[in-house]
Amino acid sequence: GGIITQTPKFLIGQEGQKLTLKCQQNFNHDTMYWYRQDSGKGLRLIYYSITENDLQKGDLSEGYDASREKKSSFSLTVTSAQKNEMAVFLCASSPNYEQYFGPGTRLTVL
Amino acid sequence: QQQVRQSPQSLTVWEGGTTVLTCSYEDSTFNYFPWYQQFPGEGPALLISILSVSDKKEDGRFTTFFNKREKKLSLHIIDSQPGDSATYFCAASASSGSWQLIFGSGTQLTVMP
Repeated sequence: GGIITQTPKFLIGQEGQKLTLKCQQNFNHDTMYWYRQDSGKGLRLIYYSITENDLQKGDLSEGYDASREKKSSFSLTVTSAQKNEMAVFLCASSPNYEQYFGPGTRLTVL
Repeated sequence: QQQVRQSPQSLTVWEGGTTVLTCSYEDSTFNYFPWYQQFPGEGPALLISILSVSDKKEDGRFTTFFNKREKKLSLHIIDSQPGDSATYFCAASASSGSWQLIFGSGTQLTVMP
């Protein structure tokens, strides 16, 4: 088995601040994903990467940047945090069509 | 149309009862349909999944049904337990779409003892 680790677990930022979320997986999966989950809604895809140094935009990529520095890690940057924004950011990895999720980072913007 | 519709939004059942959650979709290229279970404060966990070549998959108390003609899928939980109380998401993806998952909006299930 393997595990997906997301850091930090909780992130509090100020309006306009650049914030970075990190994800590590030891499954040795090729593909990694970042999703945003808003309360009462399903998950929406922000970015995904099919291999190291590859980046593909999802439907929600505006306002975010991503970086796949190596196979095991995938970072997401909120380029300018929006006031009153509150969401959970979920990282996932996949060897094929099955996706496995990390525990999430809960973002609050003051 | 890449939307996945899920119902009901919330559901309460008694312990020992049968829970039925449903989803529908429009994109006929979808061929993989997972169900995820999410507890508060945790990430979604893959519960059960089905490929479009099958119409039923069973795993213990959990069974998922797939109807290709009607573009519908369902999750049945028999002998529901209080520990099953969680939010359940259906999702769909296609090999032609690089297996990107499109999620339903979720069903919050409460099983009363």
